[in-house]
Amino acid sequence: DAGVIQSPRHEVTEMGQEVTLRCKPISGHDYLFWYRQTMMRGLELLIYFNNNVPIDDSGMPEDRFSAKMPNASFSTLKIQPSEPRDSAVYFCASSLGPGVETQYFGPGTRLLVL
Amino acid sequence: AQSVTQLGSHVSVSEGALVLLRCNYSSSVPPYLFWYVQYPNQGLQLLLKYTSAATLVKGINGFEAEFKKSETSFHLTKPSAHMSDAAEYFCALTGGSQGNLIFGKGTKLSVKP
Repeated sequence: DAGVIQSPRHEVTEMGQEVTLRCKPISGHDYLFWYRQTMMRGLELLIYFNNNVPIDDSGMPEDRFSAKMPNASFSTLKIQPSEPRDSAVYFCASSLGPGVETQYFGPGTRLLVL
Repeated sequence: AQSVTQLGSHVSVSEGALVLLRCNYSSSVPPYLFWYVQYPNQGLQLLLKYTSAATLVKGINGFEAEFKKSETSFHLTKPSAHMSDAAEYFCALTGGSQGNLIFGKGTKLSVKP
């Protein structure tokens, strides 16, 4: 398997623009996670899905952030409008299940909002 | 509430020396504990995980960790550091049927020749 695929790998945009990050999980994995990594806050969970249904979105910072999973092989994380404080590395991860199951991480999208 | 504390944001060792990265946790349910490694500009890769089957867990690249409930610790060790071990290491926690991982702040390991 190709692993978790994320696109784009790098994104530079201007404040106020819409940003869409994409993720393809490992085939057969029922759980999909979006994390954000910053120097100040470390790795924090934004939202996760089980069988395409959002389970916990308590980490989504504000209404400017939204995430969807229209099918088992694709998810998006959208920021509209973007702000400089959204600059971070965004990771997508997938797993077979909760708890003890290993989460497999994608390479991340490095976002810079000017 | 659950939390993970990694002592030392930066650890430096000489090549061939013992590596010890510390992780303490707090959990109201029996925990599952993980160590992940992140190389520069890459995603996280699992090193090892504690699933309650055995307290001493062996992982990839010669790393191992010991779960000590009385000390609420899950420290990561490697007997002899290699230059290729230079990376950032994250301890993480989850419990029961909980989906999400709670991560520590990470420890950046440097290996001197």
